[in-house]
Amino acid sequence: GAVVSQHPSWVICKSGTSVKIECRSLDFQATTMFWYRQFPKQSLMLMATSNEGSKATYEQGVEKDKFLINHASLTLSTLTVTSAHPEDSSFYICSARDRMRGHNEQFFGPGTRLTVL
Amino acid sequence: GDSVTQMEGPVTLSEEAFLTINCTYTATGYPSLFWYVQYPGEGLQLLLKATKADDKGSNKGFEATYRKETTSFHLEKGSVQVSDSAVYFCALSHNTDKLIFGTGTRLQVFP
Repeated sequence: GAVVSQHPSWVICKSGTSVKIECRSLDFQATTMFWYRQFPKQSLMLMATSNEGSKATYEQGVEKDKFLINHASLTLSTLTVTSAHPEDSSFYICSARDRMRGHNEQFFGPGTRLTVL
Repeated sequence: GDSVTQMEGPVTLSEEAFLTINCTYTATGYPSLFWYVQYPGEGLQLLLKATKADDKGSNKGFEATYRKETTSFHLEKGSVQVSDSAVYFCALSHNTDKLIFGTGTRLQVFP
C-alpha cells in the first residue's frame, strides 16, 4: 500500500512551452501533497505544499506564476511549469501524506525528469 | 532555522564492510528523524525513522539511534551488499508537513 505515481517519468520540451506533471496516490487518499525539486548531487528542496481543494503554499523563492500547482482531488495533484526555460531543467518529485497515517509519513513518487532545450 | 548535515560522499566500501553515514541536526524541540534511500532511477523510499530520543529505527539490516544529547542520527549497517548502493538522505520533521533533508550521501559498494 501507499503507492504514489508520477507521470510522465521524463519529458523533453522546447524553451517557452509549458509542461504538466501529474502526481497520483494510487491506493490511499492524500489530503496533502508536496512538490520537491532535486538538482544533481543535491538534496531535495521543497517547492510547495498542496492541500486538496485549496491554494498551494509556496516556499520562499519559488515563483507561484511559474510553477502552478493544482490539487483538485484527494488522489491527484498537478504541477505545471509555465514557459519553461533551460534553468528549469531538474528532477521534480512529489510526495503524499496518507490521511489515515501519522503527520510525518510522506510517500514519494518516482520523480519526473524535465529537460528544457 | 532547522537543518540537517550529512557527511559528504561518496562512501566507497567493499561488500560485507561496516557502514556508518553520519547525520547531525539542528532543530528546536523534538523533531522526528528519518533516513530515506534513493536507488538509481527510483524515487525516495523511507528506510527507517525514530520519533523520540533514544529510539532506534531499523530496517533491512540498517539501524539509527536518535541521540538527543549529540543531536545525531547516524546510519549503520554491519555488512553492506552491492544492492545497498544508493543515495541516502537524512531528514527531520516536526509535527508539520515539512521534511528538511540533508544533502544526501552516495554509497557505492563493490564486490
